[in-house]
Amino acid sequence: GAGVSQSPSNKVTEKGKDVELRCDPISGHTALYWYRQSLGQGLEFLIYFQGNSAPDKSGLPSDRFSAERTGGSVSTLTIQRTQQEDSAVYLCASRTGQGYQETQYFGPGTRLLVL
Amino acid sequence: AQSVAQPEDQVNVAEGNPLTVKCTYSVSGNPYLFWYVQYPNRGLQFLLKYITGDNLVKGSYGFEAEFNKSQTSFHLKKPSALVSDSALYFCAVRDRNTGGFKTIFGAGTRLFVKA
Repeated sequence: GAGVSQSPSNKVTEKGKDVELRCDPISGHTALYWYRQSLGQGLEFLIYFQGNSAPDKSGLPSDRFSAERTGGSVSTLTIQRTQQEDSAVYLCASRTGQGYQETQYFGPGTRLLVL
Repeated sequence: AQSVAQPEDQVNVAEGNPLTVKCTYSVSGNPYLFWYVQYPNRGLQFLLKYITGDNLVKGSYGFEAEFNKSQTSFHLKKPSALVSDSALYFCAVRDRNTGGFKTIFGAGTRLFVKA
């Protein structure tokens, strides 16, 4: 079946502009994660959605970052007033269960470059 | 708080030799532990996970990892390395008692297997 998809695959923007990154999780997956991978860095947890529960936003680096998940499916990560340090690959992952079913399936990422 | 450490930025191994990629973790409760791999120009893929039970976990592509509670480690191993194993490896942990569903990834270890 189809995997996790993300769009756009690449985004170049000017400092100060807003950007929206989209994630389409695997159908039926109830949980969705956003991560950031900066050059030479590991994966930085940003936010987590699980069903209808309140999202875990503890990883968002500043109030310029926000995310929503509509209808329990598609998610959008928004970065307002982008800064050059926001340049990174933004990865989305989804999973279906927990415990033995707790495997995250990653999308290809959106490469964001802020000039 | 939960954390993961991958003490080596890079591991170099000759093809055919055994390889080890180290991971240590810190959680206040009991851990779920994961290894993911990122091949060049490809997305992150799941390798293996420890949930409970047998401390030795076998995963994809001949990899295995051993959960050692006393040393709080989850090192990734393979008896005989292949050039095609060259990639970026990430260890991840979730504290199943106190961490919610937030998964923390290490900084990654780049594995180079030389022919």
